[in-house]
Amino acid sequence: QLVLTQSPSASASLGASVKLTCTLSNEHSTYAIAWHQHQPEKGPRYLMKLNNDGSHIRGDGIPDRFSGSSSESGAERYLTISSLQSEDEADYYCQTWGTGVQVFGGGTRLTVL
Amino acid sequence: EVQLVESGGGLVQPGGSLRLSCAGSGFTFSTYWVSWVRQAPGKGLEWVANIKQDGSEKYYGDSVKGRFTISRDNTMSSLYLQMNSLRAEDTAVYFCARDRYDSTGCVDYWGQGTLVTVSS
Repeated sequence: QLVLTQSPSASASLGASVKLTCTLSNEHSTYAIAWHQHQPEKGPRYLMKLNNDGSHIRGDGIPDRFSGSSSESGAERYLTISSLQSEDEADYYCQTWGTGVQVFGGGTRLTVL
Repeated sequence: EVQLVESGGGLVQPGGSLRLSCAGSGFTFSTYWVSWVRQAPGKGLEWVANIKQDGSEKYYGDSVKGRFTISRDNTMSSLYLQMNSLRAEDTAVYFCARDRYDSTGCVDYWGQGTLVTVSS
């Protein structure tokens, strides 16, 4: 079964960096994922598509403070946000897909201190 | 500018029906897969359904299979979700979403959402 696992919460200080993790189910460790940001009372916002080799394609207008990477073992996908700003406080979801199915992780709520 | 605008949400009784619409603009609607995704209060995002460019393929999440029907009208650049036999657990904000042109299933644009409340 295609599953994505995320930690429920994370926090980091204004101006610092934070690395969020999304883990694919073992048998799907080569899958690409997407990262999305969801601020309260808004529609989600696509950040990037992240491939298993760590290459990523940011969405329109997404600053390069947002970057993606993958673990060498393959199952972990990361979103790093540098130079944290107050507006980065949001829920972050990873998403993946297969034939006839889309799956979202449970989301990570990021608090900017 | 790519835009997706949902409409049709509201309050409906358990067992009732509702039809959601999504109007796409700023891109060639007929050349993209599109999806419905929902978020129940206090919960995360849940994929509901998606549909191929010409409507020939449709897929559904297990929780809505047999009750919801996704459709599209490319002449109107519109996506629809017919929701029947509604349950309290269908209460959610429903988002319309577009897939990347080169990666079916990878959402790259979202609407603002429309709220559906199922309650007596």
